Amino acid sequence: GAGVSQSPRYKVAKRGQDVALRCDPISGHVSLFWYQQALGQGPEFLTYFQNEAQLDKSGLPSDRFFAERPEGSVSTLKIQRTQQEDSAVYLCASSTRVGEGYTFGSGTRLTVV
Amino acid sequence: GDSVTQMEGPVTLSEEAFLTINCTYTATGYPSLFWYVQYPGEGLQLLLKATKADDKGSNKGFEATYRKETTSFHLEKGSVQVSDSAVYFCALSGTSGSRLTFGEGTQLTVNP
Repeated sequence: GAGVSQSPRYKVAKRGQDVALRCDPISGHVSLFWYQQALGQGPEFLTYFQNEAQLDKSGLPSDRFFAERPEGSVSTLKIQRTQQEDSAVYLCASSTRVGEGYTFGSGTRLTVV
Repeated sequence: GDSVTQMEGPVTLSEEAFLTINCTYTATGYPSLFWYVQYPGEGLQLLLKATKADDKGSNKGFEATYRKETTSFHLEKGSVQVSDSAVYFCALSGTSGSRLTFGEGTQLTVNP
């Protein structure tokens, strides 16, 4: 597609629910990133894929967070047993190669109530 | 580790005023530096970038120069418009990895 597409745009989850956030990167983009942006803060790195390989997951805050990109295109970020502190905007970005500017999606705003 | 520090906001200016948003960084080696802009309800958009010392990135009247000696990448615009109202993020991509490290962002409001 023309840009990075994320869905859903908004998600409200009850505490303890599992959620799945989807990212469709730009076609052909090898690198894919997930970031978490708390209200009024800059984005914080979560995880990075190169094609289907998850090369860096050091930013995932707990083992409740899991990301996959099984065919090297669409990626899913899953959060199990959501907590209030998980409320944030989750941003996906893709790039043709490492070190270049990345194209960001509009994000998924997750609110845990 | 890598870090980015932006001037504290918010910043409020009148239309046609001069804008400077300060950004300094800490990183090993020679990172690439970026400015991103986030309009209300939208994702981050790349505004400009510089990949080596003394490079000047520019776009839409904004510019920033990569200053290795002062580890800075200040954003400037000579005459701001109301449509420039947004949050601006300074970021770096270090040589040790591909992730972006962001500053906390600076909210800019331009009044007519």
